[in-house]
Amino acid sequence: EAGVTQFPSHSVIEKGQTVTLRCDPISGHDNLYWYRRVMGKEIKFLLHFVKESKQDESGMPNNRFLAERTGGTYSTLKVQPAELEDSGVYFCASSQGGLAGVPSTDTQYFGPGTRLTVL
Amino acid sequence: LAKTTQPISMDSYEGQEVNITCSHNNIATNDYITWYQQFPSQGPRFIIQGYKTKVTNEVASLFIPADRKSSTLSLPRVSLSDTAVYYCLVGDLSGSARQLTFGSGTQLTVLP
Repeated sequence: EAGVTQFPSHSVIEKGQTVTLRCDPISGHDNLYWYRRVMGKEIKFLLHFVKESKQDESGMPNNRFLAERTGGTYSTLKVQPAELEDSGVYFCASSQGGLAGVPSTDTQYFGPGTRLTVL
Repeated sequence: LAKTTQPISMDSYEGQEVNITCSHNNIATNDYITWYQQFPSQGPRFIIQGYKTKVTNEVASLFIPADRKSSTLSLPRVSLSDTAVYYCLVGDLSGSARQLTFGSGTQLTVLP
């Protein structure tokens, strides 16, 4: 079974340009997450989709970031316009989904990440 | 989500057993304990997850005492390829807030 895939693996853009990152989750996973690690910092949560709906976008840094998941399959994360501080590695993860109200588990599987460099 | 504390780094030699302990004093009743492994230029990889007592899979064992305020990841007979960062995460992933909170992790270096 294919894992979470991300495209591109690397992207180098200039400040002010637009970049779109793509994530393809594991087939059948309703939950999709975006995380990022900026230089020297810890991996931070950005947002969470359940199918095509945004369940939690509390981690989105500002309105220059736009995430979509049309049709509940793959997701895109657009940064427009990109700033220097947006440089880092953007990870996508997916999960099947646990049972609400039950202390069960819901494992998130991560993709390899997209390394974004803003010059 | 409960915060965790783990050593910044550890060194070991090939063939040894490695135990990485994580403290999570504020763990909540519904929280599970999850460990991830991350190699350079890769995404975090799920290793093991547990709620209490002991969990074992083909990769590692997870020991959780009765008070659940700490946990220990045990890697049997490590090899050079086990050199990676290991993250301990604590949280309830069954509710609507499913975000994982990563700390700094433990850099494990396996020496020949």
